[in-house]
Amino acid sequence: EVQLLESGGGLVQPGGSLRLSCSGSGFTFSTYAMDWVRQAPGKGLEWVSAISGSGANRYYVDSVKGRFTISRDNSKNTLYLQMNSLRAEDTALYYCAKERKILLSAIDSWGQGTLVTVSS
Amino acid sequence: DIVLTQSPGTLSLSPGDRATLSCRASETIKSNYLAWYQQRPGQTPTLVIYDASSRATGIPDRFSGSGSGTDFTLTISRLEPEDFAIYYCQQYGSSYTLGQGTKLEIK
Repeated sequence: EVQLLESGGGLVQPGGSLRLSCSGSGFTFSTYAMDWVRQAPGKGLEWVSAISGSGANRYYVDSVKGRFTISRDNSKNTLYLQMNSLRAEDTALYYCAKERKILLSAIDSWGQGTLVTVSS
Repeated sequence: DIVLTQSPGTLSLSPGDRATLSCRASETIKSNYLAWYQQRPGQTPTLVIYDASSRATGIPDRFSGSGSGTDFTLTISRLEPEDFAIYYCQQYGSSYTLGQGTKLEIK
């Protein structure tokens, strides 16, 4: 059974930084692309970033380019999202998600999410 | 970047009705790489359809996806109470984009 467990969320001031982590189990981590998708309170889903299985290909939504960095450590079965220069509009539940394939495919598994709150 | 526009924003139907949800892209989606997700209140999303028309594992056959190019449709042939939820489309042919969602509510 696929399991995705996020951690690292919390309260941070505007302009601050956080690093989210996602530990994956129940599948061969390195052979699947992974994503971060967020959902602001009471709002819809917003895709944030994705990384291919090897880590060679990375994608970002325009609103986080230059501020967020996605990475993965396949030896530790862990996905990361380094978030810098955080803004109030980054406040959301951040889901870690696994894709069906190694690159550019649909998401077939989701974690429960970790809450990021950006506020002074 | 490809923009996805879903319509209608809210669809009010009764159990047993047929539901038709639309997703229109601002440009052609490569290889029809389009997915549909269902999100029930308080739950994480679930994959319903991938590659425009392939049902995900465990999804009942009352769900079907169709379309190509820029126009895609999710059809639920006969609504069950558990189908009332928010549905999102996503393209993954050129980077990734999610639509704004269609809320399917009980009439």
